[in-house]
Amino acid sequence: RKEVEQDPGPFNVPEGATVAFNCTYSNSASQSFFWYRQDCRKEPKLLMSVYSSGNEDGRFTAQLNRASQYISLLIRDSKLSDSATYLCVVKGGYGGSQGNLIFGKGTKLSVKP
Amino acid sequence: NAGVTQTPKFQVLKTGQSMTLQCAQDMNHEYMSWYRQDPGMGLRLIHYSVGAGITDQGEVPNGYNVSRSTTEDFPLRLLSAAPSQTSVYFCASRPTYNQASYNEQFFGPGTRLTVL
Repeated sequence: RKEVEQDPGPFNVPEGATVAFNCTYSNSASQSFFWYRQDCRKEPKLLMSVYSSGNEDGRFTAQLNRASQYISLLIRDSKLSDSATYLCVVKGGYGGSQGNLIFGKGTKLSVKP
Repeated sequence: NAGVTQTPKFQVLKTGQSMTLQCAQDMNHEYMSWYRQDPGMGLRLIHYSVGAGITDQGEVPNGYNVSRSTTEDFPLRLLSAAPSQTSVYFCASRPTYNQASYNEQFFGPGTRLTVL
């Protein structure tokens, strides 16, 4: 079983739509959680951290359910500029590498006019 | 600050050649790491370092060596290139290795490597 699993998509949505991405992780001892965004042929960049109580940054809302080992990202009022691949990231893998980031394969979002 | 820089941006090698991918950061970060990204595979950790003089293996270390003689630099060496090492390589850094912290991890722009 992969440590971090995401639906690869692609998600094709019209401008203004609300879209949700889901992610599950396998290590219950993981302590830190993030969403990164990666544009085509570019490096990943931090979109937002995910806190236990849930957190919001403008049109973006992240949720964490530790009991179900589930992370989500909701994007409201999608813009063309939101088109990218969204990476679910967990810190704290198995073995001694507890401080390394474990990346999901990413979910591709395409927002159409 | 330049952030995380990587050279070269593109490289073509022949099977069996060796080369070094350069990575540097000017943020005084303790933690640095190398990933490779292949289609359908996501980002996979090759090697990482929690400080100068300390390195360790990640998920896919075979065929690669690293060293960390200074805080700023973390080069990745391909010993004898193989077509299976064709990939995009990203270097990254963040302030600490701490498991529980929410420090942002910064990535360099990547090196696109093709091995023929």
